[in-house]
Amino acid sequence: GQNIDQPTEMTATEGAIVQINCTYQTSGFNGLFWYQQHAGEAPTFLSYNVLDGLEEKGRFSSFLSRSKGYSYLLLKELQMKDSASYLCAVRVRSGYNQGGKLIFGQGTELSVKP
Amino acid sequence: DTEVTQTPKHLVMGMTNKKSLKCEQHMGHRAMYWYKQKAKKPPELMFVYSYEKLSINESVPSRFSPECPNSSLLNLHLHALQPEDSALYLCASSLHSGGTNEKLFFGSGTQLSVL
Repeated sequence: GQNIDQPTEMTATEGAIVQINCTYQTSGFNGLFWYQQHAGEAPTFLSYNVLDGLEEKGRFSSFLSRSKGYSYLLLKELQMKDSASYLCAVRVRSGYNQGGKLIFGQGTELSVKP
Repeated sequence: DTEVTQTPKHLVMGMTNKKSLKCEQHMGHRAMYWYKQKAKKPPELMFVYSYEKLSINESVPSRFSPECPNSSLLNLHLHALQPEDSALYLCASSLHSGGTNEKLFFGSGTQLSVL
């Protein structure tokens, strides 16, 4: 089966740095995505990793270790508007001749306090 | 235009009703998706269309019937739903369904309540 784990909730302080971890056990791994979702809104794309290492995009960075089945999302200089759910999603190859499908983890609810 | 537009935003229906959810994108994407999301849960894949053909059906009950009239439009026809089908239904699109780094663009969803 496919399994993606991330913490349910995290709390951090405005201006601080927070790291949200994601571990996965999937067959046919074909890339890992991070999405942000505010309550009642659509998920929005944050970052993507398919090779090991760190990808940096402004205040957001994402890391991947395929051998460990592990990724993290690092958020720097936290702002109140960063309070949201952060979804780790793994693309897995399907049995079809297409690239596969995106499976989401449970999401981590991040609360940023003043 | 980088939007995926879903209508209606909210829908209340009885268990004997027939209704349809609509999704539209004009980004030239050739893959479109339906996801279902319950409160405080992750989105769960229901269907994938690739080049207007159904390529993935995640064993969804037949009371949900998808349709892709053309590359820009995706519908989800609903009939004889159950109260447990109440959820946020998200439409998404990507350039293709085959690329490893293709991100999904999501619509704002239709919040469905089945009474």
